[in-house]
Amino acid sequence: GQSLEQPSEVTAVEGAIVQINCTYQTSGFYGLSWYQQHDGGAPTFLSYNGLDGLEETGRFSSFLSRSDSYGYLLLQELQMKDSASYFCVSYSGAGSYQLTFGKGTKLSVIP
Amino acid sequence: DAGVIQSPRHEVTEMGQEVTLRCKPISGHNSLFWYRQTMMRGLELLIYFNNNVPIDDSGMPEDRFSAKMPNASFSTLKIQPSEPRDSAVYFCASATGTGVTEAFFGQGTRLTVV
Repeated sequence: GQSLEQPSEVTAVEGAIVQINCTYQTSGFYGLSWYQQHDGGAPTFLSYNGLDGLEETGRFSSFLSRSDSYGYLLLQELQMKDSASYFCVSYSGAGSYQLTFGKGTKLSVIP
Repeated sequence: DAGVIQSPRHEVTEMGQEVTLRCKPISGHNSLFWYRQTMMRGLELLIYFNNNVPIDDSGMPEDRFSAKMPNASFSTLKIQPSEPRDSAVYFCASATGTGVTEAFFGQGTRLTVV
């Protein structure tokens, strides 16, 4: 089966740094991804980790440790527009990939 | 490319009626996913296709739900008969398939069954 655990809510101050953790139990695990979803919108891709280590994309970084079945999303220099839900997503399978979403973390950025 | 296109954007129907949701994936993408999103259950994978073939439909809630992909540019999700608990936002997403790292989502269909 597939399951991912992440905090349901996080609040942080504008300009600060926030880390959203994700632990997973996924058979046939291939990689971990992060998606952002604003209220009323569609999920949009942020990052993907296929290998252990840190991937950086602008203000966002994502980390994966396969041995710990753990990853995180790091958001720096928080802006009000970063208020959204963030989903960790596991990729599993071979040849074609199943994407399983965690329940999501609702991030509120406050002034 | 216009992205993943879903129709309709909103659907209100009466319990017991048949509902058909439609999706046009991005051209060249050969993986297609149907998700359902509710407050209680989050984003649930219902079914996914690769090269028009259903790979895993274990997420389909029950026999009232069915999905087809007759060709690479079109998929449908049908609910017959619909029930109030089917009310949710249904998303379709597509990806390039092998080596995929990013799935592109449509804007969703908000279904309300009264």
